Amino acid sequence: GESVGLHLPTLSVQEGDNSIINCAYSNSASDYFIWYKQESGKGPQFIIDIRSNMDKRQGQRVTVLLNKTVKHLSLQIAATQPGDSAVYFCAEKKPGGGNKLTFGTGTQLKVEL
Amino acid sequence: DADVTQTPRNRITKTGKRIMLECSQTKGHDRMYWYRQDPGLGLRLIYYSFDVKDINKGEISDGYSVSRQAQAKFSLSLESAIPNQTALYFCATSDFGGEPQHFGDGTRLSIL
Repeated sequence: GESVGLHLPTLSVQEGDNSIINCAYSNSASDYFIWYKQESGKGPQFIIDIRSNMDKRQGQRVTVLLNKTVKHLSLQIAATQPGDSAVYFCAEKKPGGGNKLTFGTGTQLKVEL
Repeated sequence: DADVTQTPRNRITKTGKRIMLECSQTKGHDRMYWYRQDPGLGLRLIYYSFDVKDINKGEISDGYSVSRQAQAKFSLSLESAIPNQTALYFCATSDFGGEPQHFGDGTRLSIL
């Protein structure tokens, strides 16, 4: 989700549980969405993307759901592992803007053993 | 992997200095981007380039300039650094289709 100021929203989950990270996007005309994972000291790493003509897309242990009615995107991580601990953020691509992405501020996922 | 390499990884410098951050890629992508990341804010686009002869301003280009020396190289310059340019800087690339963008591991820049 979006955050204000310096503090990221934090989601704490137990190892082995499923995680759901949410994101609200701003433009109902956006036609492409993407999730990134960012570990401390590293650059954003692509996880999964989805186009606006789809509602759901699955990858390895991850699923992205798109609800265009309420402009909401979610990332589900199955069987969360310690290595999943990171900041996750979404981005949207608005039509007519080339390849420019608008990024959210991110959610900190903490996996507890 | 080191498909997108940024140098230096860390840099501390003084106000008024000229600084160049470099990015090189081995992905063979046409499109390259420079972003900055500040605490509590999403990545913001500084400049982007769709090929060697194409340079475009992003949302926060003031105080920055870029050079696309080759398909594989895209550098970002701060002509006269100021403290509020202290941030993490990321380079990204994408192919002609544009999606997804792949990022380097960033340069942490501190301006005193």
